[in-house]
This record gives sequence, structure tokens and C-alpha cells, in this order.
Amino acid sequence: EAGVAQSPRYKIIEKRQSVAFWCNPISGHATLYWYQQILGQGPKLLIQFQNNGVVDDSQLPKDRFSAERLKGVDSTLKIQPAKLEDSAVYLCASSSGTSGADTQYFGPGTRLTVL
Amino acid sequence: GQNIDQPTEMTATEGAIVQINCTYQTSGFNGLFWYQQHAGEAPTFLSYNVLDGLEEKGRFSSFLSRSKGYSYLLLKELQMKDSASYLCAAMDSNYQLIWGAGTKLIIKP
Repeated sequence: EAGVAQSPRYKIIEKRQSVAFWCNPISGHATLYWYQQILGQGPKLLIQFQNNGVVDDSQLPKDRFSAERLKGVDSTLKIQPAKLEDSAVYLCASSSGTSGADTQYFGPGTRLTVL
Repeated sequence: GQNIDQPTEMTATEGAIVQINCTYQTSGFNGLFWYQQHAGEAPTFLSYNVLDGLEEKGRFSSFLSRSKGYSYLLLKELQMKDSASYLCAAMDSNYQLIWGAGTKLIIKP
């Protein structure tokens, strides 16, 4: 079974530029998560989708971050414009969505550096 | 507020046993997860406990005490490849994971 796919793996941009990340979850997984992980910290949930609907986006900085999951499968996360403090690893995870306490499976992440 | 506490760093010797502790405070509780994260890689699932007691899975075991808000991950017969960060995460009443900052485990030969 293929795991969670993410691209790109690395991205370097200058502040005020825009960037987009892509995620394809495990086949059949209804729930998709985007996390931000700053070095030395645990993951911070940015947004959670159940199929193509948003379950939780309370920690998403909506003035600059946006995310969509139009067909309930893959998802994109965009930052526009980027700030220096956005430098982090952006992790996508998915879970089956069949019960509340599902295990989340993570993709390899995208390491973003903002200069 | 919701909070997870775990040690920042631990050091152990190859072949030995190490216990990584985690205490949690959450609004409601729907289980405790442990993940392993090697440097530069994604977290990988290790264990899930929702009932009190010890769950054993090969060299790794995880323990939970709901009344104490406490869990530990026990790693036996340590190998160099076990050098990684170990993340504790508690699931609250809304089924959201509250993550700790991780414990960096250094294994010395």
C-alpha cells in the first residue's frame, strides 16, 4: 500500500513570495491533515479535512495561508505572501476517518526555507 | 489549557533499556499515541494506548495511567538506529492530537 505522498520535498523562497505544497493521502483515507513543524517542536495542526470539508482550521493563519481538497482526495496548501517565520517542515497526514481515534500516517514532509 | 510534557533529551547505551516519560493534560481523553521521528523524516506511528496498562510490541512497550495523566515508552535492547526523537501525543475530546515537543534519544556505543 502506497503511503502519503508530498511534493516538493524542499523549497527555498524569498519573503513575500508565494509557495504551494501538494499532498496525496493513502488511498481510501477520508481525513487529511496539514501540520507545521518548527525545528525542535512537535507538529502544529494547521487544517483538518474530512473528505472535502474542513473540520478544523482554527490555527491556520488565514491572512496568508489557504488550503483546499476539492475532490476529497489530494490537497494543496498555499502560503502567500511568505514570512521568515514560516520556515518549517510542512507535514501532511491522513487517517481512515472510520472512527475518531484513527492513527494518522505522515508523508515525508516539505522543508520550506524563507530567506 | 492543554499540555504535554516530556524530557527534551535523553542518552542511553546500545543494548540497554530506556524509558521515556510523558505527562499530559487535555480536555477529555481519547488515547495516547507515540511516534518515532528520525532527523529530517516524518513521524512514524509506534503505539496507541487508551486503556490503563502496558502494551508490548517487540522491543517497544507503552504504558498508560489515565488517573495520573501519565504514559511512558520503554525501549529494550537499544540499537543505534533507535537514535531519533520520540513524540508523545494525547487525543482530546474533539479527537484532536495535542503534541509534545519530542524527546531526542541519543544512543551511544
